[in-house]
Amino acid sequence: DGGITQSPKYLFRKEGQNVTLSCEQNLNHDAMYWYRQDPGQGLRLIYYSQIVNDFQKGDIAEGYSVSREKKESFPLTVTSAQKNPTAFYLCASKPAGGPRVNEQYFGPGTRLTVT
Amino acid sequence: AQSVTQLGSHVSVSEGALVLLRCNYSSSVPPYLFWYVQYPNQGLQLLLKYTTGATLVKGINGFEAEFKKSETSFHLTKPSAHMSDAAEYFCAVTSNTGKLIFGQGTTLQVKP
Repeated sequence: DGGITQSPKYLFRKEGQNVTLSCEQNLNHDAMYWYRQDPGQGLRLIYYSQIVNDFQKGDIAEGYSVSREKKESFPLTVTSAQKNPTAFYLCASKPAGGPRVNEQYFGPGTRLTVT
Repeated sequence: AQSVTQLGSHVSVSEGALVLLRCNYSSSVPPYLFWYVQYPNQGLQLLLKYTTGATLVKGINGFEAEFKKSETSFHLTKPSAHMSDAAEYFCAVTSNTGKLIFGQGTTLQVKP
């Protein structure tokens, strides 16, 4: 079955450490997205990539970094510069064409807790 | 600029009652509109979408929504609530650039 996987489901880190969240998709989608979810604030876009080796900042990119070396993978690094990293992180992907071109498909999420 | 406002962060209904979750949008271009559902500690699942054509769209699990351009609304309804409908619901808007802009979410509680 095709889908998006995020690992791990729960992640705990000490303040000051960088941490990388994994996102893999086997849907052959070109575009991939990272969102941050906080209670009462909906989802906010961190970074997105529409093609391999290219990505753009979203609305809240400060303290985060990404790479897109392969079509299937879009890892997110939460750096020590991110002031409030504790949140639920969601990865999504979207096809470049076809009838579902406007639909984003979401992974199960990673809950990051930094203490 | 585009934005989405969901009226009511929490909605409570009795099992079997009508579900109405409100969403208003702002968009300078013809909008594409979506409703997603999220169960606790899970990702988002698409319920339904409006892109063009028929303004009343039907989705999964008996939900439907009507696009009303004059009211800039895209309210989500279901005639009869089930306990399994308890979740958080997000309305979203996108342009043809593909970026999604979400509302703050509405938590639906279903009472027995």
